[in-house]
Amino acid sequence: AQSVTQPDIHITVSEGASLELRCNYSYGATPYLFWYVQSPGQGLQLLLKYFSGDTLVQGIKGFEAEFKRSQSSFNLRKPSVHWSDAAEYFCAVGQTGANNLFFGTGTRLTVIP
Amino acid sequence: GAGVSQSPRYKVAKRGQDVALRCDPISGHVSLFWYQQALGQGPEFLTYFQNEAQLDKSGLPSDRFFAERPEGSVSTLKIQRTQQEDSAVYLCASSSGTVNQPQHFGDGTRLSIL
Repeated sequence: AQSVTQPDIHITVSEGASLELRCNYSYGATPYLFWYVQSPGQGLQLLLKYFSGDTLVQGIKGFEAEFKRSQSSFNLRKPSVHWSDAAEYFCAVGQTGANNLFFGTGTRLTVIP
Repeated sequence: GAGVSQSPRYKVAKRGQDVALRCDPISGHVSLFWYQQALGQGPEFLTYFQNEAQLDKSGLPSDRFFAERPEGSVSTLKIQRTQQEDSAVYLCASSSGTVNQPQHFGDGTRLSIL
């Protein structure tokens, strides 16, 4: 069965500092991987996705993520965090032949001045 | 608007009442998904439509939950005889294809059962 683990429930970083949010997945074949961001009271916005090819993917708002098959990870990074990045971040995985996404429990990001 | 639209944004109902939640997907998107997001959790899949056909309803938690998309566009999620554990945010998403196409989410309906 598929699963997605986001081990950090809450992360606090200073504005301008770098950020890495962890995501580990469990799936036998190459998954489809996504990162979404959710601001309070809002739906989920897609930051980036990985299907195949280059393992380093670029997304919107200066985010990037790296797919590491050996570690079953798809960590999200940003070199310099802005106050507006404060939100909940969800990693999700999909698989060939299935229709839905499996989401992690999310990581809440707080940005301090 | 160009995005997924959900209504109402907030719904309060008494236990035992029936509720109906509406989703208006992005025009032309054949795939439509419903998710349930409990407080502090990630979204969990409820059901999936391809056009008007409900191809997967494996995530519906009980037979009190029913979804339809009769003309392959707007979808309605209905919950009968609501229970307190139904309190959650219900998210609708649409995409142009299957799982390898990004899903675009609405802002959700926050359902509170008293």
